[in-house]
Amino acid sequence: SQTIHQWPATLVQPVGSPLSLECTVEGTSNPNLYWYRQAAGRGLQLLFYSVGIGQISSEVPQNLSASRPQDRQFILSSKKLLLSDSGFYLCAWSVLWAPLHFGNGTRLTVT
Amino acid sequence: TQLLEQSPQFLSIQEGENLTVYCNSSSVFSSLQWYRQEPGEGPVLLVTVVTGGEVKKLKRLTFQFGDARKDSSLHITAAQPGDTGLYLCAGGLGAGSARQLTFGSGTQLTVLP
Repeated sequence: SQTIHQWPATLVQPVGSPLSLECTVEGTSNPNLYWYRQAAGRGLQLLFYSVGIGQISSEVPQNLSASRPQDRQFILSSKKLLLSDSGFYLCAWSVLWAPLHFGNGTRLTVT
Repeated sequence: TQLLEQSPQFLSIQEGENLTVYCNSSSVFSSLQWYRQEPGEGPVLLVTVVTGGEVKKLKRLTFQFGDARKDSSLHITAAQPGDTGLYLCAGGLGAGSARQLTFGSGTQLTVLP
């Protein structure tokens, strides 16, 4: 069966510090991978998606970047965090246009 | 940009009551998905509807896709505290990457014992 792992679960970082959130998927090959951000109790905003190794598409201009160094690994990064980067970050995978499978998210607080 | 509006935004009801959550858009979607999310976790898929007028039942939950494929509803019968959570609808625009998946703003449901 397929599983998705996302870590850390919570993170508190000062403004200006770097960020690295990691997501890995097991049990499937060549999945589509996604990073979403969710405001408290609200809908999801797509940040990045990837259809293959090294292929990253950005949906919104921002202070963040994403990378896919391996088929089932997706990383969300920032060189210098802003207060506005605080939020709940969710990684997800899908096969073609099938429904999304989400990780349990990372609660990021930038202080 | 396709928008999905969900209503109500917040809903608090007593155990045993019925409720309906709506998901509306001016855009036509090829599919409509409903997810439920609990605090501190990622959303979990409940159902996918793909045909206009389609009705799917999942125990006490009934999902309907509008005839014109622009709207959907989720009806819960005899709600239970375990139904508490954030309900999200998401519209798909066709085969391909889920980049084309648009999420609604969510309905936060609280079922009081």
